[in-house]
Amino acid sequence: KQEVTQIPAALSVPEGENLVLNCSFTDSAIYNLQWFRQDPGKGLTSLLLIQSSQREQTSGRLNASLDKSSGRSTLYIAASQPGDSATYLCAVHKNQAGTALIFGKGTTLSVSS
Amino acid sequence: NAGVTQTPKFRILKIGQSMTLQCTQDMNHNYMYWYRQDPGMGLKLIYYSVGAGITDKGEVPNGYNVSRSTTEDFPLRLELAAPSQTSVYFCASTRTGGSYEQYFGPGTRLTVT
Repeated sequence: KQEVTQIPAALSVPEGENLVLNCSFTDSAIYNLQWFRQDPGKGLTSLLLIQSSQREQTSGRLNASLDKSSGRSTLYIAASQPGDSATYLCAVHKNQAGTALIFGKGTTLSVSS
Repeated sequence: NAGVTQTPKFRILKIGQSMTLQCTQDMNHNYMYWYRQDPGMGLKLIYYSVGAGITDKGEVPNGYNVSRSTTEDFPLRLELAAPSQTSVYFCASTRTGGSYEQYFGPGTRLTVT
C-alpha cells in the first residue's frame, strides 16, 4: 500500500531564508507527483506537478525535484516571504493514469518578518 | 472558467440527518473525485468517477453515496449523518490524455452534532 510521509510536520523560518520541504513515498511505481499549497480554511492550490519521467519542475521561487528510485521528492522555496506561510501537501498518483491522489499529512510553514 | 465549484461552503447537521454536497466543474473533465480531510491529516478518497454513469469506491466510502448523471456534476450524498463524518470535503477533477493534474474545489466544511 502506497504511503506518503512529509517531514517536518512544521517549520518556522525568518523571512529571506531558503528552505526545503521533504516528501517520501513507499512505492516507487508512481505516475506523477503533485505539490499543493493550502491556506487555513481554504482549498488546495496546485503548485507543481512532476511526471514520473521528469527530475524537476520550476515555477518562480519554487523548485520541485523527484527521485523515483529512492521514493523522494523535495520542494525548494527560495527567499521565503511571510506570504509563503501555509501548509504544503505532497501527493502521488499510483502507476495508473486517472487514479486518485494519495496524500501526505503536510508541512505547515511559518515565515516571520 | 469557474473551475471546480462546491456548495454549500459550510453546513451543520444533526445526527441522523441527510444532505447532498454539490460539485460542478466546467472544464469538461471526465474524471472526478471526492476526498475528505480531517484535522492534521492528508486527504482521503471517498468515491471517484471516470465518466458519466461510472462510479467506484475509494478508501473511505462507508456512509456516503454518489451518482454521476452528467460530465459536469458529481454530487456526494450523506445518509444518516454521524459525528465521524465531521470533516472538510473536497471535490476534484482531471482529464484523460494529459498530465492528470487534479484541480480542487474550495471545499465544504461539515459539522455533525
